[in-house]
Formats: sequence, structure tokens, C-alpha cells
Amino acid sequence: RKEVEQDPGPFNVPEGATVAFNCTYSNSASQSFFWYRQDCRKEPKLLMSIYSSGNEDGRFTAQLNRASQYISLLIRDSKLSDSATYLCVVSTDKLIFGTGTRLQVFP
Amino acid sequence: NAGVTQTPKFRILKIGQSMTLQCTQDMNHNYMYWYRQDPGMGLKLIYYSVGAGITDKGEVPNGYNVSRSTTEDFPLRLELAAPSQTSVYFCASSSDRAPQPQHFGDGTRLSIL
Repeated sequence: RKEVEQDPGPFNVPEGATVAFNCTYSNSASQSFFWYRQDCRKEPKLLMSIYSSGNEDGRFTAQLNRASQYISLLIRDSKLSDSATYLCVVSTDKLIFGTGTRLQVFP
Repeated sequence: NAGVTQTPKFRILKIGQSMTLQCTQDMNHNYMYWYRQDPGMGLKLIYYSVGAGITDKGEVPNGYNVSRSTTEDFPLRLELAAPSQTSVYFCASSSDRAPQPQHFGDGTRLSIL
């Protein structure tokens, strides 16, 4: 089993839609969780950190379920500029990156 | 505010050649990391450093070497380039060990032919 697993997608959604991604992790000792965004051929950039059960930042909501060992990212009112690959990242003593979920928002 | 700077941005090498990927950061971060990202794959940690003079292996260190003589610089050395090392290489830094989020450089796209 991979340490961090994500559905690669792509998720194709219209502007204004709500879309959710899930990510599962295998190490129950994982302490911190992040969502990064990576545009095509660019470096990853931190989108959100999750230190407790979840948090919200504008149109983005991240949630953590420790019992089931998954985290989620919800994007409301999708914009064209949200098109990117979203990386789930889990931390024990180092960061473990998922392979990413690709989102394509169309007009 | 430069952040993490990587050079070169692109490079093509022949099999067996050697080169050094440069990485420097101006945020006075103690922790620095080298990752590689193959197409459709997650980032894999090659080497990391917790401070000047201290380096350690990550998940995929074979074929690479690093040094950390200063806080700012963390070069990655390929001694005998192989086609399997064709990848995008990202350098990152952080002010504390994980879970502190990391700042990434723009990446170096390396092709071994």
C-alpha cells in the first residue's frame, strides 16, 4: 500500500462547480497534513495546512479524519485559475507527497 | 525577496557526464532538501540537510551526492549521469523540520541522453 494515495483524475468541472478530492494515508503516526498546488511544469506551492480536524480559507476547505486516515480538499465556486494538480502531503518525520489529483475547470 | 534559487533551469547531459545542480536560499533556513519528480509521480526525497555540515540520505540517494558548507547553499552532484536520472529536480528549504511547510525553488529540468 502506498504511503499516500490520491485519485489522479482528471476532474473536469465547469466554472462555479464544487469539487472535492480525497487522499488516504497509511501511517497512523502521521502528525501533520498539507495540500499543495502544482501548476504544469512549476514548483509546488503550499495551499493549506491542516493541524487539527480541518480548516477553511475562502473557497477552500480541508478536513482531516484521523480514524479513517484520510484528508479531503473541497473547492467551492471553481475558477478557471483553479486548474492545477493538487498534491496531498503527509508528515511524520519527513514529508510524503502523493502523486496528485489533476483538476481542469472549463468555462 | 529571492527565496530559493536553483540553477540551471534546464540541462541536457550525455550518459556518464557529471554536473552540479546549484541551490541557494536567502531566508536563513536551517533545513534544505533535494527532491526529484518523475512524470506523473510524487516528489521523492533525495537528500536533506538540517544545517551547515550535516547531510543525510532520503528515499532515493543512489547516484547523487550533496554537501552543505554554508547555511545558504546546498548543491546536488551527479557523478555519472544515467538515463534514469532524467527528471525535474526541486530544491526546498524550511525554517524547522517537518511539519513546517517548505519553500521550493523553480526546479531544474534535466535530461540524460
